[in-house]
Amino acid sequence: SQTIHQWPATLVQPVGSPLSLECTVEGTSNPNLYWYRQAAGRGLQLLFYSVGIGQISSEVPQNLSASRPQDRQFILSSKKLLLSDSGFYLCAWERTLNTEAFFGQGTRLTVV
Amino acid sequence: SQQGEEDPQALSIQEGENATMNCSYKTSINNLQWYRQNSGRGLVHLILIRSNEREKHSGRLRVTLDTSKKSSSLLITASRAADTASYFCATPSDKSGNTPLVFGKGTRLSVIA
Repeated sequence: SQTIHQWPATLVQPVGSPLSLECTVEGTSNPNLYWYRQAAGRGLQLLFYSVGIGQISSEVPQNLSASRPQDRQFILSSKKLLLSDSGFYLCAWERTLNTEAFFGQGTRLTVV
Repeated sequence: SQQGEEDPQALSIQEGENATMNCSYKTSINNLQWYRQNSGRGLVHLILIRSNEREKHSGRLRVTLDTSKKSSSLLITASRAADTASYFCATPSDKSGNTPLVFGKGTRLSVIA
């Protein structure tokens, strides 16, 4: 069966520090991978998605970047965090576009 | 960009009652999905309805889709306290099927025991 791992669960980082959130999927190959951000009590904002290794599409220009160094690994990064980067970050995967998406448990990021 | 929009934003009902949530979207789609999110957790897929389907059932869930009105509804029958969660609709941003899912802002459902 397929599983998705996302870590860490919570993170408190100072403004200006770097960020690296990792997401890995097991039990499937060539998944579509996604990073979403959710502000408190709000909907999901699509940040990045990838349909293959090295292929990254950015939906919203901002202080973040994403990379897919391996087929089932998706990394969200920032060189210098801003206060506005605080939020709940969710990684997800799907077999093909617009099919059922499977989400990780999320990372609560607080930038102080 | 936001494609789907849920209504109401929040809903509070007594256990045993039915809960109805609505979703409106802007562009033509090939399918629509509903997800559930418990507080502080990831989303869980509930049901997918295709554009050529009008109604779909899964346990206590009933989803309808009206493509002429660009709207969908999620009905939870005989609600339980454990149904307390946020519910989101998700659609592709266009009908091509080549775009990722876009989520609405969700309906926060509270079921009071």
